[in-house]
Amino acid sequence: DTEVTQTPKHLVMGMTNKKSLKCEQHMGHRAMYWYKQKAKKPPELMFVYSYEKLSINESVPSRFSPECPNSSLLNLHLHALQPEDSALYLCASSQMPPGGANSPLHFGNGTRLTVT
Amino acid sequence: DQQVKQNSPSLSVQEGRISILNCDYTNSMFDYFLWYKKYPAEGPTFLISISSIKDKNEDGRFTVFLNKSAKHLSLHIVPSQPGDSAVYFCAATLSGSARQLTFGSGTQLTVLP
Repeated sequence: DTEVTQTPKHLVMGMTNKKSLKCEQHMGHRAMYWYKQKAKKPPELMFVYSYEKLSINESVPSRFSPECPNSSLLNLHLHALQPEDSALYLCASSQMPPGGANSPLHFGNGTRLTVT
Repeated sequence: DQQVKQNSPSLSVQEGRISILNCDYTNSMFDYFLWYKKYPAEGPTFLISISSIKDKNEDGRFTVFLNKSAKHLSLHIVPSQPGDSAVYFCAATLSGSARQLTFGSGTQLTVLP
């Protein structure tokens, strides 16, 4: 069982919909991340929250809006997405930023998003 | 420009034999390397890591070797088991950097019974 929980597991949404992806961890980790992964590609970093503050935004379009309500929760709000945004969205956490030495990323199982 | 490369998209190995997965990197500033394993419909799982001050790290059936001069690392799994069948991602990072892991494109390992 993963210690990073993501909901929902699957999501189908139209281009005019507004939806949210949720992520939760109770390991006391102080950094949380959103990654996007397309089929047969490595995960691509989208956002990093460090101590509940947005520290990295990898030039992600504004139709993706992250939110970190507290140290255990991370949301990704979606609005007016495009079909090419269909992908697996992975949440991850690490004990300390930036997720490198002695602080590996712990990933959730992801949300499979399909935009129609 | 891919800074971390896994040139073999797939590898098949017989159960009980050794699996060797390779990874090359171009950025000599990377000083920490990790391997992740990913099953279908699951997120990547951290497997093993190595700091650039070492050339080998072992954990059970898994050993990672680092050759800094060649900018090459490899993951050895011995003996291989059918449950090891998964996609393996190599990743690299600069300790203390605000930027995150740079992942390779992955290698699909299939262990045949």
